[in-house]
Amino acid sequence: QVQLQQWGEGLLRPSETLSLSCAVHGGSLSGFCWTWIRQPPGKGLEWIGEINPGGTATYSPSLKTRGAISLDTSENQFSLTLTSVTAADTAIYYCARGRSYYDFWKGYGKIDSWGQGTLVTVSA
Amino acid sequence: QSALTQPTSVSGSPGQSITISCTGTTSDVGGYNFVSWYQQHPGKAPKLIIYDVSDRPSGVSLRFSGSKSDNTASLTISGLQAEDEADYYCSSYTTSSTYVFGTGTKVTVL
Repeated sequence: QVQLQQWGEGLLRPSETLSLSCAVHGGSLSGFCWTWIRQPPGKGLEWIGEINPGGTATYSPSLKTRGAISLDTSENQFSLTLTSVTAADTAIYYCARGRSYYDFWKGYGKIDSWGQGTLVTVSA
Repeated sequence: QSALTQPTSVSGSPGQSITISCTGTTSDVGGYNFVSWYQQHPGKAPKLIIYDVSDRPSGVSLRFSGSKSDNTASLTISGLQAEDEADYYCSSYTTSSTYVFGTGTKVTVL
């Protein structure tokens, strides 16, 4: 069973850059899409974006151009950066494993392994 | 893209069945059979319980079932148990090649 371990800075000032990483244990990055999801305290889930094994990422339109997801295959981990953060970016951020990339037209949105979550607070 | 619409709360007595709806548009729920459902207990990460509208991951109770009609997906929990008390979220693939979550439903076992 794959396990995801995530880490990153938990307290940021407005306008700073959020940076989170997620290590994949017990499995490889190849063959799957890798996802970031966030949840403001007491609120619902929000999909941030995902990256496929080839390194192509797709993002939520709500992020505009502030977000970037990348792969580090040598370290078997993936990362999220979010620039120019504001208080509205305060949330628990989860990394997760998405669909099997090579299962044609199956399992889109099947997020079956999650990191432990990282609370990121943006405050002056 | 707007969040999918779910009822804020649903409740039922132990042993009963409850159904949670998830309403979207032809650009998401109605456009694909890629609706997933997640269960989230307080302070925990979400857990996948249904994907591709009605498929269950291994290890998920048969009491959870999913369906879809037009732009509305549904999650049914049969034989409600105390451990089912949690928040439930739907999600769907969209025509923009992104994903959108539902607003979330709090299930209370009376």
